[in-house]
Amino acid sequence: GAVVSQHPSWVICKSGTSVKIECRSLDFQATTMFWYRQFPKQSLMLMATSNEGSKATYEQGVEKDKFLINHASLTLSTLTVTSAHPEDSSFYICSARPGTSGRNYNEQFFGPGTRLTVL
Amino acid sequence: AQSVTQLDSHVSVSEGTPVLLRCNYSSSYSPSLFWYVQHPNKGLQLLLKYTSAATLVKGINGFEAEFKKSETSFHLTKPSAHMSDAAEYFCVVSDPKIYNQGGKLIFGQGTELSVKP
Repeated sequence: GAVVSQHPSWVICKSGTSVKIECRSLDFQATTMFWYRQFPKQSLMLMATSNEGSKATYEQGVEKDKFLINHASLTLSTLTVTSAHPEDSSFYICSARPGTSGRNYNEQFFGPGTRLTVL
Repeated sequence: AQSVTQLDSHVSVSEGTPVLLRCNYSSSYSPSLFWYVQHPNKGLQLLLKYTSAATLVKGINGFEAEFKKSETSFHLTKPSAHMSDAAEYFCVVSDPKIYNQGGKLIFGQGTELSVKP
């Protein structure tokens, strides 16, 4: 149980285009989802926290208009990188937290990541 | 404020020898602590977690970690390394103070484990 998927697993796009990444909790409902960015050989950097049905909370230094996050349902959150540029190239990882009663309610389950390359 | 320090950016061991990955944390509260493993171009897999129960925590694949409050440490160990253990390992602390605001995880810088034949 507690499986999180991401789609696509990798994407290559031209500079100036927008890219949408989906994060789905497959076998549980996630009240909270998190989006991370990871540069090569570095740790994960939290970008934003999203709760279903409300606006995402962005970390300091993360551009809200650049990285649009939507958490429309308890099983789906999307990250849209708008007007992508080469410096946006990175590995993007989502996680989902059940947040309700149950054995793993406060644990985050991670997706497999999405490799974005902007040419 | 909470923080996590992984004392080694890279550890190299021979197959069959013990593994020790060191982690120290700073917390004003009773933290939850985790170790995650990440293989290249993959997501994170939970190895084990400490949540104020037994201080010696056993995880998957033969890994274990001991929570030592007096030393503010949560080192990860394994008696005998396997080639498949080669990966990046992250020590993570969860901030209980802001749990109700989303339960943020604070990541260490990561330790790359290499296993030589």
